[in-house]
Amino acid sequence: SQQGEEDPQALSIQEGENATMNCSYKTSINNLQWYRQNSGRGLVHLILIRSNEREKHSGRLRVTLDTSKKSSSLLITASRAADTASYFCATDDSGAGSYQLTFGKGTKLSVIP
Amino acid sequence: GAVVSQHPSWVICKSGTSVKIECRSLDFQATTMFWYRQFPKQSLMLMATSNEGSKATYEQGVEKDKFLINHASLTLSTLTVTSAHPEDSSFYICSAPISYNEQFFGPGTRLTVL
Repeated sequence: SQQGEEDPQALSIQEGENATMNCSYKTSINNLQWYRQNSGRGLVHLILIRSNEREKHSGRLRVTLDTSKKSSSLLITASRAADTASYFCATDDSGAGSYQLTFGKGTKLSVIP
Repeated sequence: GAVVSQHPSWVICKSGTSVKIECRSLDFQATTMFWYRQFPKQSLMLMATSNEGSKATYEQGVEKDKFLINHASLTLSTLTVTSAHPEDSSFYICSAPISYNEQFFGPGTRLTVL
């Protein structure tokens, strides 16, 4: 079942600006992942943050996780036109004991050159 | 890195025909694979879990007789959309976990049913 909710659903920014996307989820998790999808293409894994971590960085990406609020944020700094894509968070269910992921609804990011 | 392939990348078929989509893990073995469906501008919805050597597990609301899944080997799962109708037109994506925290996604198959 779909449990993640991202906001905003769509975000349009100028190149060079920062983009922040948020994700909320409902169940207890082992980890939360962020994926990127270019239009009509498959998913590319961006970053994974474990439930015992609060913040993680990877290049221009910064992810935070607040398990008490069951929410996460993805920050892309100094955005580029090539960052234009849809971004999804995905969570596992720590109670399910499987590899299964549940995806959020996604945020469509448009970076204007 | 690990790669998951899908074939075909796109297919157009007439209503009532069956379409088979293959998902292969190219350099690792996957006892479990997942099949997702994604409608335009929407998120991925898990359809079923494909299990090597046993029956697939379907999510609620997914017709197992319409979406046949066969996990024939440790590197291949197939999804057959039987008697396809226009409402089955969608983007189908498979994934295969390589570990508990790492899952690789195929590039997707766009199905258009006329």
